[in-house]
Amino acid sequence: DAGVIQSPRHEVTEMGQEVTLRCKPISGHDYLFWYRQTMMRGLELLIYFNNNVPIDDSGMPEDRFSAKMPNASFSTLKIQPSEPRDSAVYFCASSWTGADQPQHFGDGTRLSIL
Amino acid sequence: KQEVTQIPAALSVPEGENLVLNCSFTDSAIYNLQWFRQDPGKGLTSLLLIQSSQREQTSGRLNASLDKSSGRSTLYIAASQPGDSATYLCAVTPEDAGNMLTFGGGTRLMVKP
Repeated sequence: DAGVIQSPRHEVTEMGQEVTLRCKPISGHDYLFWYRQTMMRGLELLIYFNNNVPIDDSGMPEDRFSAKMPNASFSTLKIQPSEPRDSAVYFCASSWTGADQPQHFGDGTRLSIL
Repeated sequence: KQEVTQIPAALSVPEGENLVLNCSFTDSAIYNLQWFRQDPGKGLTSLLLIQSSQREQTSGRLNASLDKSSGRSTLYIAASQPGDSATYLCAVTPEDAGNMLTFGGGTRLMVKP
């Protein structure tokens, strides 16, 4: 089992640029979650999908953020345009159906917006 | 709105000591509670998951308890080792929020040899 795979691991870019974060969930998992972690706010859920369909995006901070899941094995989180306050570690997680199933996390993407 | 608090924020203990990490939540209407471990530069690893109908779960040297009515959970680590050094986070799944987790701020644990 390869686990949840995120890319890139690190991203440094200038303010105003488009940023795309990628996630490959564990095969067979039907839930996918995007989180953001900062020192100030801790770990926050941004959006989650069930069977490739967005279920709750209430955590997405602004319209500059968008997420897609075109198929069961791939998801993207896009920020356009990026701002320095978007700097954080972004995690992707996946799980089987059921709130009693633990979520499996990727190693995250550390994003720095200059 | 559910709020999850972890105390202490940081803890340093000598190797071999038994220790307790605390987690409290404001809304007792939860489906389950999970404890995670996070190593520096890594994602979260699920340690224990306690359903709302359960009182505790055990895995090796770890024991987690849940008192849903009082909004509290503890993670007990027996005979701590330097390899236990990490940040420990608890998270709850509200009854009306499907698979959405609300996390505490974490306790950063250092076990000194």
